[in-house]
Amino acid sequence: GAGVSQSPRYKVAKRGQDVALRCDPISGHVSLFWYQQALGQGPEFLTYFQNEAQLDKSGLPSDRFFAERPEGSVSTLKIQRTQQEDSAVYLCASSSRDLRETQYFGPGTRLLVL
Amino acid sequence: DQQVKQNSPSLSVQEGRISILNCDYTNSMFDYFLWYKKYPAEGPTFLISISSIKDKNEDGRFTVFLNKSAKHLSLHIVPSQPGDSAVYFCAASGGATSGTYKYIFGTGTRLKVLA
Repeated sequence: GAGVSQSPRYKVAKRGQDVALRCDPISGHVSLFWYQQALGQGPEFLTYFQNEAQLDKSGLPSDRFFAERPEGSVSTLKIQRTQQEDSAVYLCASSSRDLRETQYFGPGTRLLVL
Repeated sequence: DQQVKQNSPSLSVQEGRISILNCDYTNSMFDYFLWYKKYPAEGPTFLISISSIKDKNEDGRFTVFLNKSAKHLSLHIVPSQPGDSAVYFCAASGGATSGTYKYIFGTGTRLKVLA
């Protein structure tokens, strides 16, 4: 079956521009996660959904970051008024349940803010 | 405050030999640990996991060892193959801070297997 897919794979934005990153989880997976990976670092947790409910957004770096999953499947991570420090790879992962189920990652969206 | 540390940024090993990747953690509440492999321009791929109730888990050429008293885990790959060349991330979860779902990742170790 299909894995986690993300689009676009690459995004170049001018500072101040808004961007939207899309994640299609594995079909039927209840849980969805967003991580941010800066160059030379490991992924860092941003937010977690169980179905359409956003249960944890403690990792979102500022109120410019917003995530949604309105129908419990596809999710969008939106970054408003992008800044250079937002440049990173944004990874989406999904799992069939939240507790102790392995998270499967998509290929990521590489965002470069100029 | 790095709760999961991979102190070796890179490692080179001859094909056919054993690769040992190390990971240390500071949070004694972590109770679930994973290793992911990452190729360039791809997302991390799950390799193997271990619960804190075990000290060893094996899957084919991959074995993870957990030493809770030392807060240390290691990934052994034997025999190493050129296709194993990738960045390996250690991750941990559990406890009040991270919860059961939030993975805390190390910074990765780049493994190069030489033919």
